[in-house]
Amino acid sequence: EVHLVESGGGLVQPGGSLRLSCVASGFTFSTFEMSWVRQAPGKGLEWVSYINNRGTTTHYADSVKGRFTVSRDNAKNSLYLQMNSLRAEDTAVYYCAKELGSGDYFDYWGQGTLVTVSS
Amino acid sequence: DIQMTQSPSTLSASVGDRVTITCRASQSISTWLAWYQQKPGKAPKLLIYKASSLQSGVPSRFSGSGSGTEFTLTISSLQPDDFATYYCQQHNSYSLTFGGGTKVEIK
Repeated sequence: EVHLVESGGGLVQPGGSLRLSCVASGFTFSTFEMSWVRQAPGKGLEWVSYINNRGTTTHYADSVKGRFTVSRDNAKNSLYLQMNSLRAEDTAVYYCAKELGSGDYFDYWGQGTLVTVSS
Repeated sequence: DIQMTQSPSTLSASVGDRVTITCRASQSISTWLAWYQQKPGKAPKLLIYKASSLQSGVPSRFSGSGSGTEFTLTISSLQPDDFATYYCQQHNSYSLTFGGGTKVEIK
């Protein structure tokens, strides 16, 4: 059974940094593309970043470009999101999501980790 | 970026009703569209991909159609478990974008 477990969320001051992690199990992690998707409280879904299976190609939403960095360690079945220069508008539940394999849509999601940016 | 517009934003319906949700793209995305269901406090669940392909394990009362810029998600006979928020997502190009959501409420 596929499991994605995020961690690393918490309360951080504006301008601060956090590193989110997502540990995958139940599938061959190294063969699938992954993304981070976030959801601000009471709001809709916003795609944040993408990484291909080897970690050689990444994409970012304009809202986080230059501040967030996605990476992965296939040996550890882990996905990461380094978030710097955090802003209040980055407050959200962050989900890691596995791509189905035949397109850029997501068949499995983690339970999410809450990031709160506030002074 | 491609903008995705869903309508309505809220829909009130009864068990057994046929429900249709519309999603419009700001430019053609061929059939690169997915639909998700989300319940409060839970992660989204994939229902439909490539506009009309039913994800494994999803009940057949869910169906998707459309191409280009206009798409629909139809629930043929609404069940109690279907009251939730539904999102469309284009997967034609990065940045990937979601619609604003449609909340299906009990009438």
